[in-house]
Amino acid sequence: GAVVSQHPSRVICKSGTSVKIECRSLDFQATTMFWYRQFPKQSLMLMATSNEGSKATYEQGVEKDKFLINHASLTLSTLTVTSAHPEDSSFYICSAFPRGLNTEAFFGQGTRLTVV
Amino acid sequence: AQSVSQHNHHVILSEAASLELGCNYSYGGTVNLFWYVQYPGQHLQLLLKYFSGDPLVKGIKGFEAEFIKSKFSFNLRKPSVQWSDTAEYFCAVNAKSSASKIIFGSGTRLSIRP
Repeated sequence: GAVVSQHPSRVICKSGTSVKIECRSLDFQATTMFWYRQFPKQSLMLMATSNEGSKATYEQGVEKDKFLINHASLTLSTLTVTSAHPEDSSFYICSAFPRGLNTEAFFGQGTRLTVV
Repeated sequence: AQSVSQHNHHVILSEAASLELGCNYSYGGTVNLFWYVQYPGQHLQLLLKYFSGDPLVKGIKGFEAEFIKSKFSFNLRKPSVQWSDTAEYFCAVNAKSSASKIIFGSGTRLSIRP
C-alpha cells in the first residue's frame, strides 16, 4: 500500500520555540494532505487541510498563525508549531490521498510533540 | 457538515465474546465509511472500508461491518474477540469525492479480559 512518512516521530522542545513537522507521501502524489491532532485517550481532531500550491484551510478554532502549514510540492506538507507552549503538547498526525482518486487516505505514523 | 457518533466509549468483554461497536454518521450526501484501529502506543491502522457495492464489508483480523443506509449506521462486528483486540477503535467518514477530509468519531476503547 501507499506510504506516508512523518518526521520526526518524537520531538521535545522548549516553550517559546518553533517546531517543524514534515509529512511526505513516499510513492504517490498528493494534492491534498490533512493534519490532525490527538490528545491522550481522545479522537483525532482535524486541524487543517493542506493544499498544494495554495493556502491551507483551517478548521474552526485552530489558530492559523500558530500552526503554519506549507504544501510546497505534491509529496511534502509541513506543519510548524510556532511559539510552542506546554498545552501544544500532543500527537500530530498527517494523512494524504493519492491525487485524483476517490480512495482511502493513508496516514503517517504520527509525531509526539512535548513542550517543556 | 459531517459528524460521526460512537455511542460506546468503553467496552469490556471476555475472550471469545462477540463484539458489536456502534457508529452513526450525519451527512447530507453520499459517503465513504471507515473503521480504524489504534493499538496501545501505535499509529492508526485501517480495519476496513466501505465505498460502494455489498454493504457487508469484511476487513482484516476477522472484523466486518455493515452499512445500513436507512439508519446512517456502519457498525463494526467480530464474532469472537481475542485479548489482542484490546485497542481503540475509530469510525470515520468522508464525502464521496476526491480527497475530501475524513472526520473521526470519538472512539471506543475495547478492553478484553483474558
